[in-house]
Amino acid sequence: DGGITQSPKYLFRKEGQNVTLSCEQNLNHDAMYWYRQDPGQGLRLIYYSQIVNDFQKGDIAEGYSVSREKKESFPLTVTSAQKNPTAFYLCASRPGQAIYGYTFGSGTRLTVV
Amino acid sequence: EDKVVQSPLSLVVHEGDTVTLNCSYEVTNFRSLLWYKQEKKAPTFLFMLTSSGIEKKSGRLSSILDKKELFSILNITATQTGDSAVYLCAVEYGNKLVFGAGTILRVKS
Repeated sequence: DGGITQSPKYLFRKEGQNVTLSCEQNLNHDAMYWYRQDPGQGLRLIYYSQIVNDFQKGDIAEGYSVSREKKESFPLTVTSAQKNPTAFYLCASRPGQAIYGYTFGSGTRLTVV
Repeated sequence: EDKVVQSPLSLVVHEGDTVTLNCSYEVTNFRSLLWYKQEKKAPTFLFMLTSSGIEKKSGRLSSILDKKELFSILNITATQTGDSAVYLCAVEYGNKLVFGAGTILRVKS
């Protein structure tokens, strides 16, 4: 079945460490997105990519980095520069000419310990 | 600044009640407005609205968009406990999708 796979589901990180969250899709979608969700808040856009080897900052990109070397993959690295990284991270994708809603992965919950 | 505001922030109703959730927005280059239901993890798609005044329906859920007044409503009739969730409104503009804070709906049996 086509879909988006995020891994791991839960991740614990010590302060000062970088961690990478995986997002893979087999929907042949052109565009991919990373969102962060905190309790009581909606989803906030971190980075997005419309095509391979190209990506743009979203509203809260500081402390994060991404790459888009393959159409199927859009990993997110949470660096030590991110001041408050504990959150729920969601990856999404959509076709290039979207007339349908975005498809979301099941998320990764990151906790800094 | 582009923004999406949902109201109420939370709501508790009894089974069988009808609820109306609101979403207002201020964005440039509007493309569409989307509603999602989020129960535990991944938001699931409900509706995409692009034209004013055309109601979209799916079972007990329906939604409509007013592009002049810049708002949308999501109606749920004959609510069930399985409708308990966070309902997210999002507006697509340019190549971005911006979300509201969500409405937490709890349906009591």
